[in-house]
Amino acid sequence: RKEVEQDPGPFNVPEGATVAFNCTYSNSASQSFFWYRQDCRKEPKLLMSVYSSGNEDGRFTAQLNRASQYISLLIRDSKLSDSATYLCVVNIYSGGGADGLTFGKGTHLIIQP
Amino acid sequence: DTAVSQTPKYLVTQMGNDKSIKCEQNLGHDTMYWYKQDSKKFLKIMFSYNNKELIINETVPNRFSPKSPDKAHLNLHINSLELGDSAVYFCASSQGGREWETQYFGPGTRLLVL
Repeated sequence: RKEVEQDPGPFNVPEGATVAFNCTYSNSASQSFFWYRQDCRKEPKLLMSVYSSGNEDGRFTAQLNRASQYISLLIRDSKLSDSATYLCVVNIYSGGGADGLTFGKGTHLIIQP
Repeated sequence: DTAVSQTPKYLVTQMGNDKSIKCEQNLGHDTMYWYKQDSKKFLKIMFSYNNKELIINETVPNRFSPKSPDKAHLNLHINSLELGDSAVYFCASSQGGREWETQYFGPGTRLLVL
């Protein structure tokens, strides 16, 4: 079983629509959670962290369900510039520092005009 | 100023050659990482360094050796390159390797082994 699983898509969504992505993670020791965004042929960049209480940043809302080991991202009023690959990421922090991130394969989103 | 930089951006080489990729960060971070993104776009941790000490070494062939001359640099040396090494290699850094820290990625080095 993969450590972080996501639906690879692509999700083709009209501009202005709301779209939701989900991911599941297998390691219950995972301690921190993120959504990163990766544009074509570019590096990943942090979109938002995902806290147990959930968090919102403008049109983006992220939620975490530790019991189900499930993370979600909701994008409202989608823009053409939201077209990208969204990477679900977990960090299994060992306390010794320098832990690498575990990435899902990403969900490809295409916003259509 | 670029926060995390890598050189070269593109690297085309023959099987069996030895090559190095350089990474520098000017963020004052204590921890640096190397990730590999394969042809299926799967991004996976290879190594990380905290204060010049290797903390993680995933199941990567020993042909790959990270070298950190100082806190701001983490280079990746690859011996006897194989076709399967073709991928995009990303360097990243974070403040101190704590669980909620943002990792900042370099632009990537696209390696093609012929």
